[in-house]
Amino acid sequence: AQKITQTQPGMFVQEKEAVTLDCTYDTSDQSYGLFWYKQPSSGEMIFLIYQGSYDQQNATEGRYSLNFQKARKSANLVISASQLGDSAMYFCAMREGFNQFYFGTGTSLTVIP
Amino acid sequence: GAVVSQHPSRVICKSGTSVKIECRSLDFQATTMFWYRQFPKKSLMLMATSNEGSKATYEQGVEKDKFLINHASLTLSTLTVTSAHPEDSSFYICSANLAGESYNEQFFGPGTRLTVL
Repeated sequence: AQKITQTQPGMFVQEKEAVTLDCTYDTSDQSYGLFWYKQPSSGEMIFLIYQGSYDQQNATEGRYSLNFQKARKSANLVISASQLGDSAMYFCAMREGFNQFYFGTGTSLTVIP
Repeated sequence: GAVVSQHPSRVICKSGTSVKIECRSLDFQATTMFWYRQFPKKSLMLMATSNEGSKATYEQGVEKDKFLINHASLTLSTLTVTSAHPEDSSFYICSANLAGESYNEQFFGPGTRLTVL
């Protein structure tokens, strides 16, 4: 079974609108971490946001927020007020144990002016 | 956040030559570093986990003799692609683990684009 599933290979959003990128995960661990990374065309992986499995509140970082629904095992990324510079690939990832990281297949986001 | 560098950022080599890629954690010590390979428009594929002072742990299907990994210090891991062939052309990304009492994050290098002619 896939550890991380991103079902949206490509998404489009109008500039200044909000967009939600979906991510579901599969683990039997009680302690785990969920991450979102942005990868622009330059290739570097940019850390966006982190949610710990024990965190009670949804993580937020500026325009990024993580909609964490533990029972559903989902960790969707919400980007508010999209900007042209947000166009990139977005990867959801999970840390299991101490050093096991798993990545989803990614979602390509295009922001339309 | 913590900074991880990779060198070189781009390399073009002839088939049959070996290429070494360096991954450095600049402002922290990383006991564990990871090497990933990424094909165009695909996700990151973990190749191996590199632990300082011990042998790397390779993922299934990754040739140990082809992709030599050395983690000689707490700030440096190297990946050597030996006898490179065109099918080894790819984007290689390293990351370093920064863990403390209440956090465990992975910081990525900027990647190395390898083209084998």
